[in-house]
Amino acid sequence: EAGVAQSPRYKIIEKRQSVAFWCNPISGHATLYWYQQILGQGPKLLIQFQNNGVVDDSQLPKDRFSAERLKGVDSTLKIQPAKLEDSAVYLCASSLGFSGASEAFFGQGTRLTVV
Amino acid sequence: DQQVKQNSPSLSVQEGRISILNCDYTNSMFDYFLWYKKYPAEGPTFLISISSIKDKNEDGRFTVFLNKSAKHLSLHIVPSQPGDSAVYFCAASGTAWGYSTLTFGKGTMLLVSP
Repeated sequence: EAGVAQSPRYKIIEKRQSVAFWCNPISGHATLYWYQQILGQGPKLLIQFQNNGVVDDSQLPKDRFSAERLKGVDSTLKIQPAKLEDSAVYLCASSLGFSGASEAFFGQGTRLTVV
Repeated sequence: DQQVKQNSPSLSVQEGRISILNCDYTNSMFDYFLWYKKYPAEGPTFLISISSIKDKNEDGRFTVFLNKSAKHLSLHIVPSQPGDSAVYFCAASGTAWGYSTLTFGKGTMLLVSP
C-alpha cells in the first residue's frame, strides 16, 4: 500500500513570497489533515478535511493560509504571503475514518524555510 | 493552552532496560490516546493506542497504561533497543460534532545507548 505522498520535500523562500505544498493521501482515506510542526514543538493541526469538506480550520491563519481538497482526494496548502514565523515542517496525514480509533498515516513532510 | 503535555523533553536509557515515557492531558472529553514515533526527516508513525474504556494495551515490547482519574498515560518499552531512539509523541483524540481531532504533545526524545 502506497503511503501519503508530499511534495516538495524542502522549500526555501523569501518573506512575503508565496508557496504551495501538495499532498496525495492513501487511496480511500476519507480524512486528510495538514499539520504544522515548528522545531521543538509537537504537530499543530491547521486544517482537517472529511472527504472534500472542511471540518476544522480553527487554527488556520486564514489571512495568509488557504487549503483545498480536490474531489476529496489530493490537497494543496498555500501560504501567501509567507512570514519568517512560518518556517516549519508541514505534515500531511490521512486516515480511513474520522473517529479517534482511525489511525492517521503521515507523509514525510515539507520543510519550509522563510528567509 | 496545552491540552496534551509531555513534560520530559528527553530521556536516556541503557539497552535492555525499561523506558517509560509520560503524558498528561487536561481535556476530559478525550476518548482515545495514541503514541507516535518519529525519526529525523520522516513523518510520525503510529505505534500503539488505547481507548478511554481500557487501562492497558500491550503490543509486543510496547505497553500503554491509562489512568483516567489522574488524566495520565504512559508508554513502557521493555526491553529498550538502540533502534527505539526517536522522538515519541503522545496524542489524544476527542469526538466532537461527529468527527475527531488529534492533539499532540511536544514530544520526548528517547535515546537508548548500547
